[in-house]
Amino acid sequence: GDSVTQTEGLVTVTEGLPVKLNCTYQTTYLTIAFFWYVQYLNEAPQVLLKSSTDNKRTEHQGFHATLHKSSSSFHLQKSSAQLSDSALYYCALRPSSFSKLVFGQGTSLSVVP
Amino acid sequence: EAAVTQSPRNKVAVTGGKVTLSCNQTNNHNNMYWYRQDTGHGLRLIHYSYGAGSTEKGDIPDGYKASRPSQENFSLILELATPSQTSVYFCASGDFWGGAGAEQFFGPGTRLTVL
Repeated sequence: GDSVTQTEGLVTVTEGLPVKLNCTYQTTYLTIAFFWYVQYLNEAPQVLLKSSTDNKRTEHQGFHATLHKSSSSFHLQKSSAQLSDSALYYCALRPSSFSKLVFGQGTSLSVVP
Repeated sequence: EAAVTQSPRNKVAVTGGKVTLSCNQTNNHNNMYWYRQDTGHGLRLIHYSYGAGSTEKGDIPDGYKASRPSQENFSLILELATPSQTSVYFCASGDFWGGAGAEQFFGPGTRLTVL
């Protein structure tokens, strides 16, 4: 079946340094879309980034991600982490237009001074 | 702007009691979803619906029922609540139009504690 793997449960980074959250997937579908959701403390998850185009960089709020179908990855990166980036991040795959979202287990990002 | 609301926002229930969590969306989306969120497990899909009158089992449906009486409303029902159902529950709505990139919009969540 379809699956999404986020290998880190917790990532701690110093303010101003780069951060990378890993996301890999398995699916047999060809037309797929990927999402990064962010959930701040006591709030609902909300979409941060989305992409369905192979090898195209997508950016929003200083974060960026590139869907690489060759390596089955959609890693989230930021060049300079801010304290306000501390949150729970979910990677999610929609294998086809009529599929449900498949979520990873989430990565908690803690940005410290 | 997408709008999904949930009620109640907090609920304390007793073991064996019946609990109903309600969700309303004003997006006119066909699809609605119920998830629970637990540390270490992320978001897990309980039930979902493709439209009024339809409900489908998600990945962890045991102990839960769902009801979709209208396009706007989707309820999650715990007939006999147990302490293991203590969790935060999120409702979401979305649609298939827009292809695979169509987003899901989440409600603010309901924190349920079963004593």
